[in-house]
Amino acid sequence: QKEVEQDPGPLSVPEGAIVSLNCTYSNSAFQYFMWYRQYSRKGPELLMYTYSSGNKEDGRFTAQVDKSSKYISLFIRDSQPSDSATYLCAMYPGGYNKLIFGAGTRLAVHP
Amino acid sequence: GAVVSQHPSWVICKSGTSVKIECRSLDFQATTMFWYRQFPKQSLMLMATSNEGSKATYEQGVEKDKFLINHASLTLSTLTVTSAHPEDSSFYICSARGDRGRDGYTFGSGTRLTVV
Repeated sequence: QKEVEQDPGPLSVPEGAIVSLNCTYSNSAFQYFMWYRQYSRKGPELLMYTYSSGNKEDGRFTAQVDKSSKYISLFIRDSQPSDSATYLCAMYPGGYNKLIFGAGTRLAVHP
Repeated sequence: GAVVSQHPSWVICKSGTSVKIECRSLDFQATTMFWYRQFPKQSLMLMATSNEGSKATYEQGVEKDKFLINHASLTLSTLTVTSAHPEDSSFYICSARGDRGRDGYTFGSGTRLTVV
């Protein structure tokens, strides 16, 4: 079993839709959770960074962490074609430990 | 915010030659740098972790002699692919970790290596 599970998709939605992306994890030591967006042939770009359970909102993006269920989500409201990318969840226990990534979910938002 | 510059963005080299990829943290000191390899439509695969002034720690299955990593300063790390072969063709990405909490784990823009 992988430490982090993420549905690779692809996920195709119409413009304006609400997108829900999810990851589950097995290691209860993970304390920090991130969502990265990666466009084709580019490096990952940090979208959201959360530490505790609960919700964190930034513009059209909301990150949700449920440590009791070992489940994290990223919601994108009013999705735009420019949101078409691969979304990677990542997490680590703290300190200078390496990030553990999910497989990434490919999202396509069509006009 | 934290910025990591990676060069070159793409490179083509002949089989048997060596290629060096640079990763620089522009506005923070990178205590730790990570090098990843990414195949098409796959997630990032960690190759090695390097701390400034120390030898890199390689992940299982990564050839140390083929992928030389140098982290000589707090702002620069290099990955050298030695005696490159077509199977080394891939997308290589670096990540720098400073001591700025949430600004840690900033990624470079990646280098596409094609070995012909």
